Amino acid sequence: TQLLEQSPQFLSIQEGENLTVYCNSSSVFSSLQWYRQEPGEGPVLLVTVVTGGEVKKLKRLTFQFGDARKDSSLHITAAQTGDTGLYLCAGPYSGGSNYKLTFGKGTLLTVNP
Amino acid sequence: KAGVTQTPRYLIKTRGQQVTLSCSPISGHRSVSWYQQTPGQGLQFLFEYFSETQRNKGNFPGRFSGRQFSNSRSEMNVSTLELGDSALYLCASSHGTGAYGYTFGSGTRLTVV
Repeated sequence: TQLLEQSPQFLSIQEGENLTVYCNSSSVFSSLQWYRQEPGEGPVLLVTVVTGGEVKKLKRLTFQFGDARKDSSLHITAAQTGDTGLYLCAGPYSGGSNYKLTFGKGTLLTVNP
Repeated sequence: KAGVTQTPRYLIKTRGQQVTLSCSPISGHRSVSWYQQTPGQGLQFLFEYFSETQRNKGNFPGRFSGRQFSNSRSEMNVSTLELGDSALYLCASSHGTGAYGYTFGSGTRLTVV
């Protein structure tokens, strides 16, 4: 069972359009992280949200952490071809004594010129 | 400031062989985590080392092992390779638990034939 469910799995849009991707869980997370990964490279951290209800902006990207800290969203305004990539959400998970960062399977975004 | 360095970038091995992958974390980062990434499963946690001690372990067979040296560099070893071990292996470093973000290397692409 995936702790973090991301939707949609694939998204293909035209340059200039807006989009939102989602990260949902039945578990409460103390924080959530968003990464972008380009082909052949490792994920790059975009943002960490910590407080329920928190909204963070990074240029055209807006990240929101749900009030109950079980979900998060990423909204991109006026998408550009450079936004193409795999968007991953991740959260710290503690199962017994085993603490680790668990990832969703990601949303593969393609922005067409 | 140098990033996380993984070597080699690409590797082709035959079933039954063993392989060792290397990771040099960001200077000052004492925690190194390893992940396996495949199209079907996404990023799966392998293990985490902190100050030369394995702090956490994922649900992988004992063929997967790792270690960390006094300079925080880490290696992971996979013995008796199987076709299903073909994946992108990612190393990530952080100051502490990584709850506020990881820095990933570019990965090692392992192909088992």
